[in-house]
Amino acid sequence: DAMVIQNPRYQVTQFGKPVTLSCSQTLNHNVMYWYQQKSSQAPKLLFHYYDKDFNNEADTPDNFQSRRPNTSFCFLDIRSPGLGDAAMYLCATSREGAGSSVYEQYFGPGTRLTVT
Amino acid sequence: AQSVAQPEDQVNVAEGNPLTVKCTYSVSGNPYLFWYVQYPNRGLQFLLKYITGDNLVKGSYGFEAEFNKSQTSFHLKKPSALVSDSALYFCAVRDYSNYQLIWGAGTKLIIKP
Repeated sequence: DAMVIQNPRYQVTQFGKPVTLSCSQTLNHNVMYWYQQKSSQAPKLLFHYYDKDFNNEADTPDNFQSRRPNTSFCFLDIRSPGLGDAAMYLCATSREGAGSSVYEQYFGPGTRLTVT
Repeated sequence: AQSVAQPEDQVNVAEGNPLTVKCTYSVSGNPYLFWYVQYPNRGLQFLLKYITGDNLVKGSYGFEAEFNKSQTSFHLKKPSALVSDSALYFCAVRDYSNYQLIWGAGTKLIIKP
């Protein structure tokens, strides 16, 4: 089945130690998103890629970076995690553009990040 | 400004009874509306959407939603609740200025046996 995969599911890192979360998709969608979700709140968009174009949200801290080496993969890098960065990180995909009729986003299972 | 409101933080329903989770929206133009469900420690799962057409939209797991333009609402419904429906439910609307989703705050649905 086509899907969005996130690895790892659970990640523990130390304060200030860089960490990378990964996302892959077999849906062949051209847009990939990274969200941060804390304690049952609504997901907060950090940034997204539309094809190769990176789009950062205005209030996303510089501590968060992303890479998309190809259509299928996207990475979230947290350069110096703080205690406040402990959260669920969700990757999602969608297909946008001329002729697209798929408007919903499809989510991976998430990575729960703990910062010690 | 475009927005989505889910007026109830939590909804409690007895198993077998009908359930409704409320959502209202504020957008300019015709809305694209979505419902997602989130089980504990999992990602969000797409349930259903309204883009155009029939006001009653059917989705996964027996859920449906009714689009009401005059009341700017898109309530999620199910005729007979199951304990396994207990989860966090999010309503969302597509932002016209881009393709991103504007999220409601979420409603925790608790189905009691």
